[in-house]
Amino acid sequence: NAGVTQTPKFQVLKTGQSMTLQCAQDMNHNSMYWYRQDPGMGLRLIYYSASEGTTDKGEVPNGYNVSRLNKREFSLRLESAAPSQTSVYFCASSEDRASPYEQYFGPGTRLTVT
Amino acid sequence: AQSVAQPEDQVNVAEGNPLTVKCTYSVSGNPYLFWYVQYPNRGLQFLLKYITGDNLVKGSYGFEAEFNKSQTSFHLKKPSALVSDSALYFCAVRDWQTGANNLFFGTGTRLTVIP
Repeated sequence: NAGVTQTPKFQVLKTGQSMTLQCAQDMNHNSMYWYRQDPGMGLRLIYYSASEGTTDKGEVPNGYNVSRLNKREFSLRLESAAPSQTSVYFCASSEDRASPYEQYFGPGTRLTVT
Repeated sequence: AQSVAQPEDQVNVAEGNPLTVKCTYSVSGNPYLFWYVQYPNRGLQFLLKYITGDNLVKGSYGFEAEFNKSQTSFHLKKPSALVSDSALYFCAVRDWQTGANNLFFGTGTRLTVIP
């Protein structure tokens, strides 16, 4: 049982390049999330998916797109990377139909845009 | 609107002393509250939560938190700090304004336990 996995662990992009961050969970959770973590700002929600086939914007969606490929996988795409997207990205999942409600996080992807 | 405030960016405590990491919240709805810990270069790990019931919640690694409705606080505590407790701690509240089980996080408090 690996929990939440993310690939890649590190990535360096040039401004304007595109890339997709991959996330998968093996806990059969309904909901999945993408956050970015910046110093002094905590975690901010980019997009979330309450169930397979649905996605919704979070607090900071601009410049990102997501795909809930199936129940296990939730990807985040940067179409044209900008230096402001330099951050650490975390994927998380939760079972929201009943307690326990808490989210489980992946190890993160450290992205640098030059 | 909901918000979470962690008023201290940094907390230092001597090993063996009690520690407190503060959190206050504002939420439109039932206050579902959480504490997470982040060790260097790792993802967030769940420590404990308050959903309902007893105001004193016990969690992982000897941590506990006290829910205080009148003060809208949910401070994290441990009776005796360990050097290995040094990490970044986040308080979070369930975001009732959006769907799923979204959480709204505070900005984090860095705890340093001094040997």
